[in-house]
Amino acid sequence: QSALTQPASVSGSPGQSITISCTGNSSDVESFSLVSWYQQYPGKAPKLLIYEGTKRPSGVSNRFSVSKSANAASLTISGLQAEDEADYYCCSYARSRPLWLFGGGTKLTVL
Amino acid sequence: QVQLQQWGAGLLKPSETLSLTCAVYGGSFSGYYWSWIRQPPGKGLEWVGEINHGGSTNYSPSLKSRLTISLDASMSHFSLNLSSVTAADTAVYYCARRRLFTYYFDYWGQGALVTVSS
Repeated sequence: QSALTQPASVSGSPGQSITISCTGNSSDVESFSLVSWYQQYPGKAPKLLIYEGTKRPSGVSNRFSVSKSANAASLTISGLQAEDEADYYCCSYARSRPLWLFGGGTKLTVL
Repeated sequence: QVQLQQWGAGLLKPSETLSLTCAVYGGSFSGYYWSWIRQPPGKGLEWVGEINHGGSTNYSPSLKSRLTISLDASMSHFSLNLSSVTAADTAVYYCARRRLFTYYFDYWGQGALVTVSS
């Protein structure tokens, strides 16, 4: 199975909203609740951002939200801040080997 | 606070075996799957494999023939061994935790860069 597909890069100005899509085959993103998102700063480990479709761990801003359409999950970051500049990855449980699929990652630039 | 701390050899020659260990501090070892995830320089994340507290493993098909993940529950650590490495195995390797019956990785190790070069 191929990785999930994400745009390589997105950008936005402070205060704006951006959306990062995560698409796959019909089975890759079939269950929204099996999709998670991770934020990664350069040289750092990924950090859980969204789990079980729409839930945020304690400490994650409500500026981060997720929606689903067809075979895609989309992460929206509203009210962009400079600290949001990072790489973002989606991940889905695939039910077959490999069990876990990651998107190729999206580099967010805050202009 | 849960912490995953990992270590292992950072420079290998082709055909050697990659060995990494991840120790778990501040939390239970049982009730979780313990995963390895890697990231080639400048590239995205790739799931390598996982093991649960009972020793049951799941491996990525592309690595299965060379991969062994094991655990020492008494010491709260788990290990990755990848044999016959090539330059394509050069990556930052992360250990990560997933609670049983959940579908996300909630804690990650700091990462360990492994370079394969002759």
